[in-house]
Amino acid sequence: ELKVEQNPLFLSMQEGKNYTIYCNYSTTSDRLYWYRQDPGKSLESLFVLLSNGAVKQEGRLMASLDTKARLSTLHITAAVHDLSATYFCAVGGNQFYFGTGTSLTVIP
Amino acid sequence: ETGVTQTPRHLVMGMTNKKSLKCEQHLGHNAMYWYKQSAKKPLELMFVYSLEERVENNSVPSRFSPECPNSSHLFLHLHTLQPEDSALYLCASSQLYREGGYTFGSGTRLTVV
Repeated sequence: ELKVEQNPLFLSMQEGKNYTIYCNYSTTSDRLYWYRQDPGKSLESLFVLLSNGAVKQEGRLMASLDTKARLSTLHITAAVHDLSATYFCAVGGNQFYFGTGTSLTVIP
Repeated sequence: ETGVTQTPRHLVMGMTNKKSLKCEQHLGHNAMYWYKQSAKKPLELMFVYSLEERVENNSVPSRFSPECPNSSHLFLHLHTLQPEDSALYLCASSQLYREGGYTFGSGTRLTVV
């Protein structure tokens, strides 16, 4: 079974700061997805990364994929309070394996 | 209506009750999934219906029983649950062999008392 690890599990950061969330996975996959979940809500798709070296950006979030290292990063630039949520990476083709999630709190 | 719709949003049931969760997708997808999300645990895949064939996770207790009458509807039948089954149950759908990933429903918050 494919294993997906995220770190950190919890992240508290001040507004305006930058930080990176890491997602490592155990076996070869050329697809990686990032989702956001607000408390009590469902998962919202953020990024779809489909090839080695893929980089996607939306607002203050940028995701990248290194399939050789089996690593994806989600970089947060100049964090704002609205980014507070839990972020999940997921790996796989037709069946996904999710990471444990990173709970992000942005402090004013 | 579009997307993935789950009902009910909240459910409280006793350990001797029988209830069902419903999921409906309006996206034309051909695969549907049940996930369990418990506090401080990874999302747990419970069942997959892929082209209307069931693929299940063998660690799921038999008190959970899925049903997929067609490609747009998915049910999770619950009976004699335990308090540790309290969780958020998420339904998702996808189009197999396409790159778009999953679309999730809003979930059913289940509390077993």
